[in-house]
Amino acid sequence: GENVEQHPSTLSVQEGDSAVIKCTYSDSASNYFPWYKQELGKGPQLIIDIRSNVGEKKDQRIAVTLNKTAKHFSLHITETQPEDSAVYFCAASIITSYGKLTFGQGTILTVHP
Amino acid sequence: GAVVSQHPSWVICKSGTSVKIECRSLDFQATTMFWYRQFPKQSLMLMATSNEGSKATYEQGVEKDKFLINHASLTLSTLTVTSAHPEDSSFYICSARKLGGSPYNEQFFGPGTRLTVL
Repeated sequence: GENVEQHPSTLSVQEGDSAVIKCTYSDSASNYFPWYKQELGKGPQLIIDIRSNVGEKKDQRIAVTLNKTAKHFSLHITETQPEDSAVYFCAASIITSYGKLTFGQGTILTVHP
Repeated sequence: GAVVSQHPSWVICKSGTSVKIECRSLDFQATTMFWYRQFPKQSLMLMATSNEGSKATYEQGVEKDKFLINHASLTLSTLTVTSAHPEDSSFYICSARKLGGSPYNEQFFGPGTRLTVL
């Protein structure tokens, strides 16, 4: 089955700096890669996703890149703010009738004011 | 749009009792719902996939007789933890896929249910 590895496990940055989180996946058939933000005691919230037919997607301060050959994808957050502090999860999915997601281990992002 | 609710948000029960958690898609019909378990400082682990009107598909290592899933309608799925024990204490999260939605498997997550078994 699919295996998703996520790094780093913790990331500490100063407000205004950029943050980058990286994930690798094992199954070349995976074609959907969402990123979720989870605040303490809450469910994950989708922040951005990318599909295998594109290499990059951007939404304001957040961008995701995908390298299908190397089987890795990354989340980039620019101009970080304290409210960006949370746990971020990457995930991978193969287009099927059910759409099961496999999650990475998570990254605790702390943005210091 | 695409709001998923869970009830209750937290529950405390005694060892040996059963607890039911509801997952509802509020503004869309869900062809498939998923149930996850998350232990502190860990990732989400898929427990089972639930399709309306059919039996749930459980992940390896998840006891189907202990975690009963019912997906009675396109907007409601329930997870019942039977004969709960302290090791079942965890954060249970559901997600839902839209009926007729993107084939790229977008899932919308509920806010989670904190279960504590004494």
